Amino acid sequence: NAGVTQTPKFRILKIGQSMTLQCTQDMNHNYMYWYRQDPGMGLKLIYYSVGAGITDKGEVPNGYNVSRSTTEDFPLRLELAAPSQTSVYFCASTTGGPGDTQYFGPGTRLTVL
Amino acid sequence: LAKTTQPISMDSYEGQEVNITCSHNNIATNDYITWYQQFPSQGPRFIIQGYKTKVTNEVASLFIPADRKSSTLSLPRVSLSDTAVYYCLVGDKAAGNKLTFGGGTRVLVKP
Repeated sequence: NAGVTQTPKFRILKIGQSMTLQCTQDMNHNYMYWYRQDPGMGLKLIYYSVGAGITDKGEVPNGYNVSRSTTEDFPLRLELAAPSQTSVYFCASTTGGPGDTQYFGPGTRLTVL
Repeated sequence: LAKTTQPISMDSYEGQEVNITCSHNNIATNDYITWYQQFPSQGPRFIIQGYKTKVTNEVASLFIPADRKSSTLSLPRVSLSDTAVYYCLVGDKAAGNKLTFGGGTRVLVKP
């Protein structure tokens, strides 16, 4: 199993541009998550999904959108990128059972100039 | 969501035992306590998880008192490669298994 994969690894955007961060997991996990991590800080939850077709907001959803058309994929869309969205983005997945642990992807480092 | 409080940083030396205590005063009955490790430029990695008393695996031990309002992660005989940020999280099943990451504890292991 590849686990959780994310693409791209790095990206530089100009203010106002849009992009999609890709996340795929091959563990048949129901739950998937998107976090952002600013330098020296902990992770903040952006959006999460408990299954295909179901998504919900996390702590910092403004400026982002998600979709979950399949169990495997959970893309994160940035519309009208802003410098405040410069961060490292992590995708994670879990089966969602009681006390289950999350498996994280390697991250996407995004810079908005 | 249960909030956690842990020290910002800790220094240690190779071969020593490192203990990191996390406070979670408003932990709910069904919450589990999970610890993650994060190296620079990598995603967090699961270390250990527990509900009560003591849990031990090949890398760490987790001690949870009866009232479950705190927990202590114990890393035995640390090496330089254990230098990382350690996060204590308390799971909230009612919130769809969302986890709240605090600032974590930055552990620096010195030679």
